[in-house]
Amino acid sequence: GENVEQHPSTLSVQEGDSAVIKCTYSDSASNYFPWYKQELGKGPQLIIDIRSNVGEKKDQRIAVTLNKTAKHFSLHITETQPEDSAVYFCAASKSSNFNKFYFGSGTKLNVKP
Amino acid sequence: NAGVTQTPKFQVLKTGQSMTLQCAQDMNHNSMYWYRQDPGMGLRLIYYSASEGTTDKGEVPNGYNVSRLNKREFSLRLESAAPSQTSVYFCASESISNTEAFFGQGTRLTVV
Repeated sequence: GENVEQHPSTLSVQEGDSAVIKCTYSDSASNYFPWYKQELGKGPQLIIDIRSNVGEKKDQRIAVTLNKTAKHFSLHITETQPEDSAVYFCAASKSSNFNKFYFGSGTKLNVKP
Repeated sequence: NAGVTQTPKFQVLKTGQSMTLQCAQDMNHNSMYWYRQDPGMGLRLIYYSASEGTTDKGEVPNGYNVSRLNKREFSLRLESAAPSQTSVYFCASESISNTEAFFGQGTRLTVV
């Protein structure tokens, strides 16, 4: 099966700085890579995703990059705000009529005011 | 717009007791999942159901059973709870068209 590794496990940044979270995957057939944000006491929520036919995708202050050759993808958050503080999970799957998602172990992001 | 609803939100069980975690979605999704979340291990798939009437094992199915009662509901049963099953359990559902998985708020289960 797929193995997704995520780093770092914790990340502390000053408000306004950028944050980068990195994930690697093992199965070259994986072609869909979502990122989830989990706030305290809530379920994970999709914030951005990328498919293997695209190298980069942006949505306001967040962006995701994908390197298929190296089998890694990253989440970039610019101009961080205290409300960005949460646990972030990456995932990988083989997109089809049904997806089994394999999740990374999570990154706890703390944005200090 | 309820989305994915899980019950209960919290539960404490004694070792050996049984219980069923309930999950319902109102988005007419075909696929439903049960995950467990443990510190430092992310989300691990317990069981999934690609469509009504079908269920399959995920990464960590031992000690659990599931039922896809209808298109809306997917329950997870612990027949004889063990302390190793102390975890936060998440149900999720997904439509074919947009590939996004929607999660419930989770059930925090403690087995003592």
